[in-house]
Amino acid sequence: GAGVSQSPSNKVTEKGKDVELRCDPISGHTALYWYRQSLGQGLEFLIYFQGNSAPDKSGLPSDRFSAERTGGSVSTLTIQRTQQEDSAVYLCASSLAILAGDTDTQYFGPGTRLTVL
Amino acid sequence: GDSVTQMEGPVTLSEEAFLTINCTYTATGYPSLFWYVQYPGEGLQLLLKATKADDKGSNKGFEATYRKETTSFHLEKGSVQVSDSAVYFCALSGPHMRFGAGTRLTVKP
Repeated sequence: GAGVSQSPSNKVTEKGKDVELRCDPISGHTALYWYRQSLGQGLEFLIYFQGNSAPDKSGLPSDRFSAERTGGSVSTLTIQRTQQEDSAVYLCASSLAILAGDTDTQYFGPGTRLTVL
Repeated sequence: GDSVTQMEGPVTLSEEAFLTINCTYTATGYPSLFWYVQYPGEGLQLLLKATKADDKGSNKGFEATYRKETTSFHLEKGSVQVSDSAVYFCALSGPHMRFGAGTRLTVKP
């Protein structure tokens, strides 16, 4: 496929359960980003990965959130002990590189809509 | 820190009307500026971008000019169509994107 893909497209879970969200970036893109889109909150940066460097986790809202990127490609965002306020659309994006500290154009996946009951 | 402020709307226009969505930014250095669009039920798509001052980005009849003196990147279209109904996000580059709050545009026939 040509674009960023995410799975699942929708996830409904119960409060307190753990969830995993997956992102497959565009082949060859070395940078990968996770954002959260909540009603009334806009687009919120969570974490990004650039090549083999340590990820920038500065946007993660709590230690219940974590992310991994295996083999420089697929990434998984994990939310432990989900809360109702975690309900949102989680967006993944990828780009060719982060150039001298400045992001290249990011291409977004369709998102995963998470609903915590 | 770096940030983007955009007109929040919602904006409702009749078909063929002129569109302006204001976007201003605060940044150190010389970031790239972007407009992304989100159609109903879809993900974000890049609409246009500009990488340096006085650059004009354009796509699908939309335009925006990178104005360093006014720190602005306003989105314009001369004649909107119903199919332009969407949410528009202004964004600023950096180690990660900084997005504006989004502006919902509804175009009525």
